[in-house]
Amino acid sequence: AQRVTQPEKLLSVFKGAPVELKCNYSYSGSPELFWYVQYSRQRLQLLLRHISRESIKGFTADLNKGETSFHLKKPFAQEEDSAMYYCALSSTSGTYKYIFGTGTRLKVLA
Amino acid sequence: NAGVMQNPRHLVRRRGQEARLRCSPMKGHSHVYWYRQLPEEGLKFMVYLQKENIIDESGMPKERFSAEFPKEGPSILRIQQVVRGDSAAYFCASSPRQGRIGSTDTQYFGPGTRLTVL
Repeated sequence: AQRVTQPEKLLSVFKGAPVELKCNYSYSGSPELFWYVQYSRQRLQLLLRHISRESIKGFTADLNKGETSFHLKKPFAQEEDSAMYYCALSSTSGTYKYIFGTGTRLKVLA
Repeated sequence: NAGVMQNPRHLVRRRGQEARLRCSPMKGHSHVYWYRQLPEEGLKFMVYLQKENIIDESGMPKERFSAEFPKEGPSILRIQQVVRGDSAAYFCASSPRQGRIGSTDTQYFGPGTRLTVL
């Protein structure tokens, strides 16, 4: 079955601490993986995708095909990182629809 | 570019009424996706449309739900005879094209329509 799992509903860290948001997936084939972020009262926006291998706002994510994971990491959390984070996968063929995880709310405490 | 537009942002309906949700994709985008988010859940795919065509409706409930993306105008998600279980946030996303071999295009999301059924 195609599935994206984000095991933590809520993650609280102190400002300046490292943060890791977990994402595991189940998919037969070669998916593309994405992280979307939703700040308070704003729309979902793309944070990063695995094929670009970019670092956005200090966040990075590495696709680990062996562990079927795509964890989001940042070495030093900032208060403005507080938001809802969604991991999603898309097939690279067919209709390219996204399969989303249930999301993790990150709270960065002062 | 104003981004993906959805209206209304909030919609209240009584059981049995019809709900019409509109989505205007980003300029130059001809692919539209609809997703539904129930409370405490992630976004779930409903339907994928191109201009005048439904490409994939595998996530749409079999009854009462329909979608269209006409040649002119916004994409419409229509829910007939709404029930309390239809209360959710409905998101629309658009992309410029379906993707290239081995890759997919980023989807850009609208702000969502929050439907409340009384």
